[in-house]
Amino acid sequence: DTGVSQNPRHKITKRGQNVTFRCDPISEHNRLYWYRQTLGQGPEFLTYFQNEAQLEKSRLLSDRFSAERPKGSFSTLEIQRTEQGDSAMYLCASSLGDRGHETQYFGPGTRLLVL
Amino acid sequence: QQQVKQSPQSLIVQKGGISIINCAYENTAFDYFPWYQQFPGKGPALLIAIRPDVSEKKEGRFTISFNKSAKQFSLHIMDSQPGDSATYFCAASSDTNAGKSTFGDGTTLTVKP
Repeated sequence: DTGVSQNPRHKITKRGQNVTFRCDPISEHNRLYWYRQTLGQGPEFLTYFQNEAQLEKSRLLSDRFSAERPKGSFSTLEIQRTEQGDSAMYLCASSLGDRGHETQYFGPGTRLLVL
Repeated sequence: QQQVKQSPQSLIVQKGGISIINCAYENTAFDYFPWYQQFPGKGPALLIAIRPDVSEKKEGRFTISFNKSAKQFSLHIMDSQPGDSATYFCAASSDTNAGKSTFGDGTTLTVKP
């Protein structure tokens, strides 16, 4: 399968714990995006990278959230001191190009449940 | 402030019928309007997209109609099939900030056989 992959697919954690998700984009895609999706709503933009550079971060991305994309390949999204409100599906997408509006290919997401 | 409003929230259509989903946006800087299809347990997948220099785009059974003056766009699914049953999201982005897409809240479509 050469699509976007995300791991783990499901994560259950207790409030206050730290969690880390991984996204492997389609090979050679230079842009990588993170979104959060809660039940009954559309994906909400969190942040995106062009190669290894993080170009924009949403206000939704509090200080407890951090994303990295070392060497412009895979990316990790870490949530520190998780709260129940962090429970959501975390989606990763990737695209190829640098002029904007390229097709974003989404992964299957990581579903987080904070107890 | 929700920048992209989508309606209806849910839609039930008979097989062979036409499904229509509407979206309205507020930011006049938006210049790219994609529609995504999402099946349970999967991420969204791009279905069709339009730019504001055209009023309509058709790909197979799927058509986007775009009204720039009204800041509205809609998805029409002709000859709807049970396999079209999914959640559909409209989205919008601007060329100056193409990495950031704003999504509607989704429409759950059920096509009855």
